[in-house]
Amino acid sequence: EIVMTQSPATLSVSPGERATLSCRASQSVSTNLAWYQQKPGQAPRLLIYGASTRATGFPARFSGSGSGTEFTLTISSLQSEDFAVYYCHQYNSWPLTFGGGTKVEIK
Amino acid sequence: QLQLQESGPGLVKPSETLSVTCTVSGDSISSSSYYWGWIRQPPGKGLEWIVSVYYSGNTFYNASLKSRVIISVDTSKNQFSLRLSSVTAADTAVYYCARHPPWGPFYWGQGTLATVSS
Repeated sequence: EIVMTQSPATLSVSPGERATLSCRASQSVSTNLAWYQQKPGQAPRLLIYGASTRATGFPARFSGSGSGTEFTLTISSLQSEDFAVYYCHQYNSWPLTFGGGTKVEIK
Repeated sequence: QLQLQESGPGLVKPSETLSVTCTVSGDSISSSSYYWGWIRQPPGKGLEWIVSVYYSGNTFYNASLKSRVIISVDTSKNQFSLRLSSVTAADTAVYYCARHPPWGPFYWGQGTLATVSS
């Protein structure tokens, strides 16, 4: 099983600042990695797939990078609607696995 | 537009079987080259993939749950269902159904809360 480790668990950021979230895989997942955004009481929503392709509806301030075992989600200038929990997910091999999540909160 | 809608009893007694169903609209379970799966999220915790079934019937399981999981597909109703047996409080979670391509990300339903309690 591929273990996905996200850091930090909580990220405190002021609006307008840059946020950098990390996701590490215990073995290579190539670029078969997705990021999801989840707000309270809502289902996760696909944000990034293929490690770097932004999903429909998300603005350009969201970007993903990485391959193999190290991945990064960057939010260039945090807006109020971006405060949420972000999960990474590998779909390179079974079983499908998720990271534990990073909560981005207002500083 | 694809829509996935979960439904379930809400409350299940310990040791009984939890059953949740996903009704799909905007796509056909039997004819599209996708997996149809279930993911759960205990209150305040992270995401756990449970099982996925391909339109052809090929099925993959989370090994930690496999012995208690049955996934079934009803093509006449365009639905698929999850049955989880011998539940305990640890199975209390929001259960999400999802569609995903082979080697692709999830498209999620809105989720349904299942609480295990006597």
